[in-house]
Amino acid sequence: AQKITQTQPGMFVQEKEAVTLDCTYDTSDPSYGLFWYKQPSSGEMIFLIYQGSYDQQNATEGRYSLNFQKARKSANLVISASQLGDSAMYFCAMRESTQGGSEKLVFGKGTKLTVNP
Amino acid sequence: DSGVTQTPKHLITATGQRVTLRCSPRSGDLSVYWYQQSLDQGLQFLIQYYNGEERAKGNILERFSAQQFPDLHSELNLSSLELGDSALYFCASSATRGNNEKLFFGSGTQLSVL
Repeated sequence: AQKITQTQPGMFVQEKEAVTLDCTYDTSDPSYGLFWYKQPSSGEMIFLIYQGSYDQQNATEGRYSLNFQKARKSANLVISASQLGDSAMYFCAMRESTQGGSEKLVFGKGTKLTVNP
Repeated sequence: DSGVTQTPKHLITATGQRVTLRCSPRSGDLSVYWYQQSLDQGLQFLIQYYNGEERAKGNILERFSAQQFPDLHSELNLSSLELGDSALYFCASSATRGNNEKLFFGSGTQLSVL
């Protein structure tokens, strides 16, 4: 079963406007973490923002904020004041426990964001 | 710069061959993760090592193996390569086992099997 769902294969936004990238997740663990990563065309994976399941407030990191709705199991990424350099693939990921007592990140399929001038 | 170093950046080889991908984690990080990214499968977790020991296994084929050395660098060995093994292979590291910690990714090794 898919644990992380990103329903938007592609999104377009005008420069300087805000955009929301959707992410829903599925887990029965009471403790979990949600991450967003950015992958520009150069290929590297860049950490953007983290939200813990017990965090009382929505996470923010500069122009990035996470709209965390626990009851809906959604963790949408909001990018404010979009810049041309924000054009990239964006991946939502969730921490998942493994049998060895460790944890791994499970990723969604990603959303390709294009910022238009 | 994430501090995670992967070599080589690009690798072109033929079917049936064997290759080794290398990863140096961030200074002080004990956990190393390997991921495979392909167009059809997306980002797939392969395997994790913590301080030299295997901790978790994901969708890793039997033709693939990995290890983490005493200096904490890791190698991913891919053998009897097939066309479908062509992908971007990422290494990531974290300080501990990954409990709510973000993973720092290397820039990846692009493997092309011809």
